[in-house]
Amino acid sequence: SAVISQKPSRDICQRGTSLTIQCQVDSQVTMMFWYRQQPGQSLTLIATANQGSEATYESGFVIDKFPISRPNLTFSTLTVSNMSPEDSSIYLCSVVAGTGSYEQYFGPGTRLTVT
Amino acid sequence: KQEVTQIPAALSVPEGENLVLNCSFTDSAIYNLQWFRQDPGKGLTSLLLIQSSQREQTSGRLNASLDKSSGRSTLYIAASQPGDSATYLCAVGNSGSARQLTFGSGTQLTVLP
Repeated sequence: SAVISQKPSRDICQRGTSLTIQCQVDSQVTMMFWYRQQPGQSLTLIATANQGSEATYESGFVIDKFPISRPNLTFSTLTVSNMSPEDSSIYLCSVVAGTGSYEQYFGPGTRLTVT
Repeated sequence: KQEVTQIPAALSVPEGENLVLNCSFTDSAIYNLQWFRQDPGKGLTSLLLIQSSQREQTSGRLNASLDKSSGRSTLYIAASQPGDSATYLCAVGNSGSARQLTFGSGTQLTVLP
């Protein structure tokens, strides 16, 4: 298994500003993902954070809006840029731990409210 | 494109009842399937993982089954307790190098004392 922490746990931000969310894992992992959960909705994959290279974004998500860093195998950041109220969501990072099973583990999430 | 559906969207049962949550998916070319639990305002807790070659997995009062050919999975909860109240999410791990998950919309379970 893997223990994942995220910072901040929640934040209230003004329209037009940016917020960087940190994700820290207690062990080295190859695969790390960022998800968004809008109010009342299920989870949608934003991107796969690749160590040492650019993230791979899903349809509907772009690097200018959601830049991602992955400097090593235990840490990643997601920035939500030029925020609007529509960005109000829970943002979660997840990792695949171990080999073979590809079981995913999730962080506690960052609850973002944009006013 | 994989689509995952969960029925019912909400379920309310009295304590002690056995219950079944349903999950269906459109593309049977999956790598695995995971059931998660999400408490209000919290992250996800992994409950059970079923590999595509398996038919079921059990953990305590939970049993998950997988019928890949028909695109269905069920989560059986025995002797439900108020502490089981949460949203249960089904997620399909798609075949391919990324092992990305496609989530259903969840079933909100309330167990009444």
